[in-house]
Amino acid sequence: DAKTTQPPSMDCAEGRAANLPCNHSTISGNEYVYWYRQIHSQGPQYIIHGLKNNETNEMASLIITEDRKSSTLILPHATLRDTAVYYCIVRVDGSSNTGKLIFGQGTTLQVKP
Amino acid sequence: KAGVTQTPRYLIKTRGQQVTLSCSPISGHRSVSWYQQTPGQGLQFLFEYFSETQRNKGNFPGRFSGRQFSNSRSEMNVSTLELGDSALYLCASSLGGTGRTGELFFGEGSRLTVL
Repeated sequence: DAKTTQPPSMDCAEGRAANLPCNHSTISGNEYVYWYRQIHSQGPQYIIHGLKNNETNEMASLIITEDRKSSTLILPHATLRDTAVYYCIVRVDGSSNTGKLIFGQGTTLQVKP
Repeated sequence: KAGVTQTPRYLIKTRGQQVTLSCSPISGHRSVSWYQQTPGQGLQFLFEYFSETQRNKGNFPGRFSGRQFSNSRSEMNVSTLELGDSALYLCASSLGGTGRTGELFFGEGSRLTVL
């Protein structure tokens, strides 16, 4: 699976959009981009994933560049409860490896009042 | 529906002992994975079980083992505990089939302290 690079930390004002970047310049054509977050003392939580098109769900939006070498997770209106470590993961989806995720160090997002 | 349940939530052991952790996945999920989280190494994949068979394994010594039962519940065991085994052990379940195969549902973890 391709490696990802994320900034170690970011701040965001409450109510503003949080834009979390991820670089995955060695991504392969069949690798998906997944985002998870981990709020302190809890297990990681799935946020969103995509292959090449932009994706949106009730939690966030995922913007993937046309060359797929980077992506941005957008939390449109960050709240204090969004303070967490955010992980960008790149992986090949397949029925034989559903449970295996390779986590990097992630980005610690601090949402401030 | 109920989430992933891990027991015990906290435990303290001494070096040389062994420990067994339990995980009950979401009903209908057939894949159970285990992860170790430490401040130094972050989240690391231990192994994955699907239909009672281990089908993926991370880079951990043989002291770390697991199994899955016919009802998909899983246990992991660590023998001859070392101080460095102190960690949060997380269990994750997924359907295990096609579709959003990277969407895992994590439990709250079992925090092991080795003295």
